[in-house]
Order: sequence, then C-alpha cells, then structure tokens
Amino acid sequence: EVQLVESGGGLVQPGGSLRLSCGASGFTFASYWMHWVRQAPGKGLVWVSRINNEGRSTKYADFVKGRFTLSRDNAKSTLSLQMNSLTAEDTGVYFCARQSWDYLNYFDSWGQGALVTVSS
Amino acid sequence: QTVVTQESSFSVSPGGTVTLTCALGSGSVTTKSYPTWYQQTPGQAPRTLIYNTNSRSSGVPDRFSGAIIGNKAALIITGAQADDESDYYCMLYLNSAIWVFGGGTKLTVL
Repeated sequence: EVQLVESGGGLVQPGGSLRLSCGASGFTFASYWMHWVRQAPGKGLVWVSRINNEGRSTKYADFVKGRFTLSRDNAKSTLSLQMNSLTAEDTGVYFCARQSWDYLNYFDSWGQGALVTVSS
Repeated sequence: QTVVTQESSFSVSPGGTVTLTCALGSGSVTTKSYPTWYQQTPGQAPRTLIYNTNSRSSGVPDRFSGAIIGNKAALIITGAQADDESDYYCMLYLNSAIWVFGGGTKLTVL
C-alpha cells in the first residue's frame, strides 16, 4: 500500500524557518516525481513545488521562489521542503503528493498533511 | 498569474445530475492541460476522481465522469448521492510546467 507521511509541521514566528519531511513507503520512491501542495485554513488547494525522480530538477510556484527549497533522499525514501522567510500567508496544511508514473501530470497519492502555523 | 476558475458553490438534488466546470483565465482548457478532478471532505486529504480529462481513478464510481465542454473542463456527476457532498477541485498542467488548481466548488446535495 502506498503511504506518504508528512512531519515537521508546527508553530514558527514570522521570518523564521521550518523543514517539512515526507516519508514514503509501499512503492519505489526513486521512480516518481513528487510535489507539495498547500491549503490555507478554509481555503483551496495551491500547488507549491515539484521535484523530478532523480532530484536534479525542481520547479516552484512564484510565491515561494527563493524562499523554499525542495529536495529528496531516494536512499531514505524521503522528500524534504525547507521553508525560509516565512510569513503569515504561508500558514496552512502542507500535503506531499506523488505524481503518476505515466506522464499524465496528475497526483495519484496524497499524504494526510502537516500543519504549519506562522504567527508571533 | 494564471487563474483557473470554478463555481464557488453548487447545489444538486439527490439523484440529480450536476456539471461542475473549470475555466482557464487566459484561454481554453484542452486535453493538453491534462485536467484532473479531486474530491475533498473537511480535514481529509484530496482524493483523485478523474485524470487526463475523462479517466476515472481506481475505485471511483461511474456516476463521476469528465469531459471538455466548450472551452472548459467539466466534472459531471450523474445520480448524485448524499455522500457526494464535498469540495471539488480541478487542476490543470500548464505549458510552463507548473500545476494550477481552481478555487474549488462546494457541492451541496439536498
């Protein structure tokens, strides 16, 4: 069974940093592109970032460029999102998601999410 | 910034049919946008319903279908049931190799 488990969420002050992790199991992690999607309280889903299967290529939404860094450790089946210079607008639940293997550009598995709260 | 627009809310009677749409602010939605539809209930992760415009994800009932209607992607629910009451999000893949979600539609079944 495919499992994605996020960790590392919590309360952080504006301007601070946080590192989210997503542990993967039940599939060959190194074969899949991975993404982060976030959801502010009471709001919709917003795509944040993606990384290719080898970890050599990343893409970010404009609102996180230069602040967030996505990486992966295929040996440990772990995805990481380093978030710096956080603002209140970054508050929300962060989901990691697996992109389907067949280049049809959709997410076929999701974690349960990690809550990030940016507040003083 | 690219905007993807969905109806903010919709209501359907049990057993009825509803069509939710997904529009691209700067043009038409085509199959090359790989329209995807997700269902989400409060406090839960999204669930993939439809991918690649009209392919149903494993385990999704056949009362859910997808299509391109005019210049929009559409999610059609035929024979709506009470447990279809959820938020529905479309997602498009854009030429700039980014993914964009619509704002979501809150569907009420009553």
